[in-house]
Amino acid sequence: GQNIDQPTEMTATEGAIVQINCTYQTSGFNGLFWYQQHAGEAPTFLSYNVLDGLEEKGRFSSFLSRSKGYSYLLLKELQMKDSASYLCAVFRRDSNYQLIWGAGTKLIIKP
Amino acid sequence: DTEVTQTPKHLVMGMTNKKSLKCEQHMGHRAMYWYKQKAKKPPELMFVYSYEKLSINESVPSRFSPECPNSSLLNLHLHALQPEDSALYLCASSQALAGGSYEQYFGPGTRLTVT
Repeated sequence: GQNIDQPTEMTATEGAIVQINCTYQTSGFNGLFWYQQHAGEAPTFLSYNVLDGLEEKGRFSSFLSRSKGYSYLLLKELQMKDSASYLCAVFRRDSNYQLIWGAGTKLIIKP
Repeated sequence: DTEVTQTPKHLVMGMTNKKSLKCEQHMGHRAMYWYKQKAKKPPELMFVYSYEKLSINESVPSRFSPECPNSSLLNLHLHALQPEDSALYLCASSQALAGGSYEQYFGPGTRLTVT
């Protein structure tokens, strides 16, 4: 079967660092996306990992371990505007190249 | 231009109405998607068009009818919907469907309420 797990909700403090984990079990794995979605708005692309390792993009970094079926999104120097849901999605090369979405992690930033 | 536009932003319709949702992109993308999203849930894929041909239909009820008039436009025709169809309908596009892993660009969505 296919399964993607993320924590439902996390809370962090402005200026701090937070790590949002995503574990997956799926066949035909081709890569993993992270999207940010503010309430009532569309998802926006954050990162895409195909190979193992850390990809850094400004305050956001994403890590992938294919052998462990594990990814995380690291957010540094948190700002209030980072309060949003963060969705990981697995890109599968079989099953018509669909994105399989996790349920999302709601991140709450407190002053 | 990395924008996907959707109209209308909000739509309230009765169960006997017929309405259409529209989506447009001018990025030269050849894959376009319709998703349905309920509150606090991830997007749920409905349809995928690749090079203007329907590529994926995720067993969506026939009261939803997609149409791709050209490479920039995607419509979703709605007829005889049920209250449980109330949701945020998202359109997305990507450079292609297969042969690579292309990020999807999402439109702002249409908030649909069926009364």
